Amino acid sequence: QKEVEQNSGPLSVPEGAIASLNCTYSDRGSQSFFWYRQYSGKSPELIMFIYSNGDKEDGRFTAQLNKASQYVSLLIRDSQPSDSATYLCAVNPKNTDKLIFGTGTRLQVFP
Amino acid sequence: GAVVSQHPSRVICKSGTSVKIECRSLDFQATTMFWYRQFPKQSLMLMATSNEGSKATYEQGVEKDKFLINHASLTLSTLTVTSAHPEDSSFYICSARDIGTSTDTQYFGPGTRLTVL
Repeated sequence: QKEVEQNSGPLSVPEGAIASLNCTYSDRGSQSFFWYRQYSGKSPELIMFIYSNGDKEDGRFTAQLNKASQYVSLLIRDSQPSDSATYLCAVNPKNTDKLIFGTGTRLQVFP
Repeated sequence: GAVVSQHPSRVICKSGTSVKIECRSLDFQATTMFWYRQFPKQSLMLMATSNEGSKATYEQGVEKDKFLINHASLTLSTLTVTSAHPEDSSFYICSARDIGTSTDTQYFGPGTRLTVL
């Protein structure tokens, strides 16, 4: 079992719709969770992080964390074509300063 | 804030030569920096964790004598790919953690695309 799993996609949504990206992780002791966006040929850029169970909103983005289910998601409201990218979920396991990355979900927002 | 730079952004070299890549945190101090490698259509793979003033910690399967890491200051880490071969061609990305915050957030540099002929 991979430590951090994501569906590779592509996930295709129409412009203006809500895109829902999901991630599961195996280390139950993981403490912090991150979503990064990576455009083709570029390095990842941080979208947001979440530590506590529940929802965290930042503009059009909402991260959701459920530690009991070992599940973290990212919702993108009012999706735009410029949101088309690969979204990487990253998890910080307990007692380490490393981040473990999923393989990413490719999102395509079509006009 | 939280800007990380890398230099060079792109390098082409001949097989057998060494290449040095610099990673700098521009507006914060980073006791810990990370080096990743990413092959086309694959995810980020952590190569090593670089700690200021001490030896780097390498991930399993990464040759420490081939990928030399130096973290001499709180704002600079370097990765030297020694005796590069075509299979070392990849996208090398560094990240840095801001010691001024309590989070584990890593901020990424723009990456260095290495092509070994």
